[in-house]
Amino acid sequence: DTAVSQTPKYLVTQMGNDKSIKCEQNLGHDTMYWYKQDSKKFLKIMFSYNNKELIINETVPNRFSPKSPDKAHLNLHINSLELGDSAVYFCASSHGNSGGVVDTQYFGPGTRLTVL
Amino acid sequence: ILNVEQSPQSLHVQEGDSTNFTCSFPSSNFYALHWYRWETAKSPEALFVMTLNGDEKKKGRISATLNTKEGYSYLYIKGSQPEDSATYLCALPNQAGTALIFGKGTTLSVSS
Repeated sequence: DTAVSQTPKYLVTQMGNDKSIKCEQNLGHDTMYWYKQDSKKFLKIMFSYNNKELIINETVPNRFSPKSPDKAHLNLHINSLELGDSAVYFCASSHGNSGGVVDTQYFGPGTRLTVL
Repeated sequence: ILNVEQSPQSLHVQEGDSTNFTCSFPSSNFYALHWYRWETAKSPEALFVMTLNGDEKKKGRISATLNTKEGYSYLYIKGSQPEDSATYLCALPNQAGTALIFGKGTTLSVSS
């Protein structure tokens, strides 16, 4: 059983389109995250959700919006896609915050988004 | 913004060599440090979570040490094997403790 899964694995789309990436975890974790891997392979946090509440939202354009229908899912919606959005997006989950120590995060396989 | 520095950026060793690399971070307000292993075309996998000054953790041929007073952690690999080839990421919690801030990683390549 895959712990953290993402769909699709590859997404190729035209500039200006709206698209979604789905993420599901079956670990019973409380917190889920979205990371963006840039062209230099640097992982940067975009969002995290804890019990369906947005905890952080780094300097991400508001064209990106996370949607969590339940604790096991955190989907990423992207409106009006731009060329610069091309990247690999990773979903992750963890038990959550414990006294200021962030628990081990478990990552999904990544979604490679290409905007043409 | 928390600054997590890793060095070297990349490293190439021969099979059987032992190697080590560094993660540096601000020593104030330390909570925890994470090491992850990231193979090409896969997702990052957790190696260690370290919280106490002087901590030493070991997993097979890989070990890590932590010095929170001077703000660094070393990751050691003994007798490197080709399957150790990967990017090794260091990460620390942000100020709010709600997410991890990753370094840019050290990419290790082991030749047989």
